[in-house]
Amino acid sequence: KNEVEQSPQNLTAQEGEFITINCSYSVGISALHWLQQHPGGGIVSLFMLSSGKKKHGRLIATINIQEKHSSLHITASHPRDSAVYICAVMVNNDMRFGAGTRLTVKP
Amino acid sequence: SQTIHQWPATLVQPVGSPLSLECTVEGTSNPNLYWYRQAAGRGLQLLFYSVGIGQISSEVPQNLSASRPQDRQFILSSKKLLLSDSGFYLCAWSVGQTTDTQYFGPGTRLTVL
Repeated sequence: KNEVEQSPQNLTAQEGEFITINCSYSVGISALHWLQQHPGGGIVSLFMLSSGKKKHGRLIATINIQEKHSSLHITASHPRDSAVYICAVMVNNDMRFGAGTRLTVKP
Repeated sequence: SQTIHQWPATLVQPVGSPLSLECTVEGTSNPNLYWYRQAAGRGLQLLFYSVGIGQISSEVPQNLSASRPQDRQFILSSKKLLLSDSGFYLCAWSVGQTTDTQYFGPGTRLTVL
């Protein structure tokens, strides 16, 4: 069993829909990152969380340390949100990655 | 503002040849530096990280090595490439702890034939 599990693997949505991507982990962590990888491969760090909730524009990330679970929400989704979203957890100085969720937002 | 550069952007190398990928960061001092690899059909993997000049930590055994000759320069090398070294290599930096937000470079796509 992978230490970091993301769901769903693939997600197709219509423009304007509310999107939720989930990440569960089985190890003790010091922080959790949400990353966005565009089709060309470039990666952007969206959030770094150690507790609670963060919001940036239409993106919201939450983490529940007790339940070892994090969610990434996208409100009013747009085709430009189409990308692979990757959850990564920090275990000591090691970073462990989920397999990613491929999001396609159709106009 | 801070920027991170990686080169080359793409590289095709024969099996057994050497490798040198370079990453430089501008606009910050004493950053933590990271090398990641994303192999085809597999997720991201942390290969090396460095908290200072000459300080390299390796996360997985492999035929790759890393060096940090200057504060803002991070080099990924191999003496003899394997087919399994093909992938997308990303450099990243952060300020302070490894738990801080990391900023990624544009990546190098390496194909070993």
